[in-house]
Amino acid sequence: TQLLEQSPQFLSIQEGENLTVYCNSSSVFSSLQWYRQEPGEGPVLLVTVVTGGEVKKLKRLTFQFGDARKDSSLHITAAQPGDTGLYLCAGRLNTNAGKSTFGDGTTLTVKP
Amino acid sequence: NAGVMQNPRHLVRRRGQEARLRCSPMKGHSHVYWYRQLPEEGLKFMVYLQKENIIDESGMPKERFSAEFPKEGPSILRIQQVVRGDSAAYFCASTSRGQGDSPLHFGNGTRLTVT
Repeated sequence: TQLLEQSPQFLSIQEGENLTVYCNSSSVFSSLQWYRQEPGEGPVLLVTVVTGGEVKKLKRLTFQFGDARKDSSLHITAAQPGDTGLYLCAGRLNTNAGKSTFGDGTTLTVKP
Repeated sequence: NAGVMQNPRHLVRRRGQEARLRCSPMKGHSHVYWYRQLPEEGLKFMVYLQKENIIDESGMPKERFSAEFPKEGPSILRIQQVVRGDSAAYFCASTSRGQGDSPLHFGNGTRLTVT
């Protein structure tokens, strides 16, 4: 079973539309990260959330960590073709160093 | 370039050969993680190492796979007697400290193709 479930798996929208990507789990995480990956490259960190209920904004991207620290969402306002990519959430179960567990990602395509 | 460096970027091996993947972490980073990624999937954890120590290898296949991070030099992921199912992108990431909120800095991966 997948520890982190991301939905939707694929999303294709028109430029200017809004979208939300979800990352859900039955486990509690000490921290959760969102990454964006482009073809042929490694994932690049977008944000880290650590506090239940935390909301962080990065330009048109809004990230929320659930109150119970089990889930998170990424909302993009007025999507642009440059937002196209694979969005990955990853969580750490322990406060000490340890592996991050990744969801299977959401492949976003924004059409001009 | 002070980022995580992986080489080679592309590696082609025939079934039964050995594959050696190298990863130099960011300057000042002493924690290294290896992940494997299949097309259109997320990253699957393989192994977590600190200098000269394997901390967590719970994601490593029991046979043919090994990893090291020596005191000097890059971290090495070694796959012996490769099979077609080993074809994937292998990513290395590093962090500066052993705390839960320190982000992973990824290299651009090695794409292994087994023919």
